[in-house]
Amino acid sequence: AQSVTQLGSHVSVSEGALVLLRCNYSSSVPPYLFWYVQYPNQGLQLLLKYTTGATLVKGINGFEAEFKKSETSFHLTKPSAHMSDAAEYFCAVSDQNTGNQFYFGTGTSLTVIP
Amino acid sequence: DTEVTQTPKHLVMGMTNKKSLKCEQHMGHRAMYWYKQKAKKPPELMFVYSYEKLSINESVPSRFSPECPNSSLLNLHLHALQPEDSALYLCASSQGLPNEQFFGPGTRLTVL
Repeated sequence: AQSVTQLGSHVSVSEGALVLLRCNYSSSVPPYLFWYVQYPNQGLQLLLKYTTGATLVKGINGFEAEFKKSETSFHLTKPSAHMSDAAEYFCAVSDQNTGNQFYFGTGTSLTVIP
Repeated sequence: DTEVTQTPKHLVMGMTNKKSLKCEQHMGHRAMYWYKQKAKKPPELMFVYSYEKLSINESVPSRFSPECPNSSLLNLHLHALQPEDSALYLCASSQGLPNEQFFGPGTRLTVL
């Protein structure tokens, strides 16, 4: 089975500072990787995804992530945090062997300090 | 239309009530999912329907009963729930690999 690790269940950054949320996965085959954001009492919204091709992917709201196969990582970054970025962030993975299964990390709660 | 809709938004029920949650998508997706989510936790998979057939049941108690009347609709029937079943219930849909999941806004369920 797949496993997804998000280091740091809580991350705090100052407004305007770099956001870095970490995600590592285990997969013996090329994975498909996703970052979702969840605001309080809402559903999950896709920020960005990696399927094939360019390893640096850009998403919505200024976020981007880089797929590093050698490090089995897919860390999420944003150069300058905004107050509206405060939310819960989930990394997720699927692959061609998991069928309809979708594996989530444990989530990282991002706080932005004014 | 790239939206998954869920009704109701909020539901409060007693332990002896019977209620249903509804989910709808019009993206032509052939897989639909029910997840349960507790606060500050990732969604936990409950059921997966693929081509209108139940393909995954993650050992969910029988007080939760899923139904897929057609390819666009997914219901979750609730009966004799417990207070610990209070959570956000999320519906999602996907279409083939890479299995990107499109989520609805959820139903906030409170069991008294």
